Amino acid sequence: DADVTQTPRNRITKTGKRIMLECSQTKGHDRMYWYRQDPGLGLRLIYYSFDVKDINKGEISDGYSVSRQAQAKFSLSLESAIPNQTALYFCATSDGQGEETQYFGPGTRLLVL
Amino acid sequence: QKEVEQDPGPLSVPEGAIVSLNCTYSNSAFQYFMWYRQYSRKGPELLMYTYSSGNKEDGRFTAQVDKSSKYISLFIRDSQPSDSATYLCAMSPYSGAGSYQLTFGKGTKLSVIP
Repeated sequence: DADVTQTPRNRITKTGKRIMLECSQTKGHDRMYWYRQDPGLGLRLIYYSFDVKDINKGEISDGYSVSRQAQAKFSLSLESAIPNQTALYFCATSDGQGEETQYFGPGTRLLVL
Repeated sequence: QKEVEQDPGPLSVPEGAIVSLNCTYSNSAFQYFMWYRQYSRKGPELLMYTYSSGNKEDGRFTAQVDKSSKYISLFIRDSQPSDSATYLCAMSPYSGAGSYQLTFGKGTKLSVIP
């Protein structure tokens, strides 16, 4: 089984809808991250969490919110989706030691119409 | 100047060729350097990491870091069609308390032609 899982894998939604992307991990890591990936822009950090009680904004947090329900679960919400939030979204985890190696989930492909 | 620069390619090579992928950076605080490989429609996966300057070899892959030039490279020997993917460099500063930041290059798309 994959160490980092994301649901759904693909989602089509309409402008103005609220949607939630979910991430679960079995690696036992404390740190979890949400990124979006766009062609030509690379990976950009949306939010990160060092533990259940710690949530921090990343580079591009506007229009997004997160919830850390447990050490293993980190959800990303788009409160009112807009077309420029169409992107590939990745969850990642790390153990916060040394080199800060991050382990990524398979991604959620989101299309906002 | 962006913190990490990476040529996006695409780069197309024949099977068996030696591939050189590179990134330059501007932040002298970076101490850890990583290469991720991302297949189409998949998440990035860690390929190699190195600490500070020097070389690291793993099978057909060699990572090099030259901190004096702020330049890192990934070499792939005897390239295979299965190496076709996007390669992202990533780097972070010394990981003290509270440190988290991993800065990514935009990725180089590689195609190895049989």
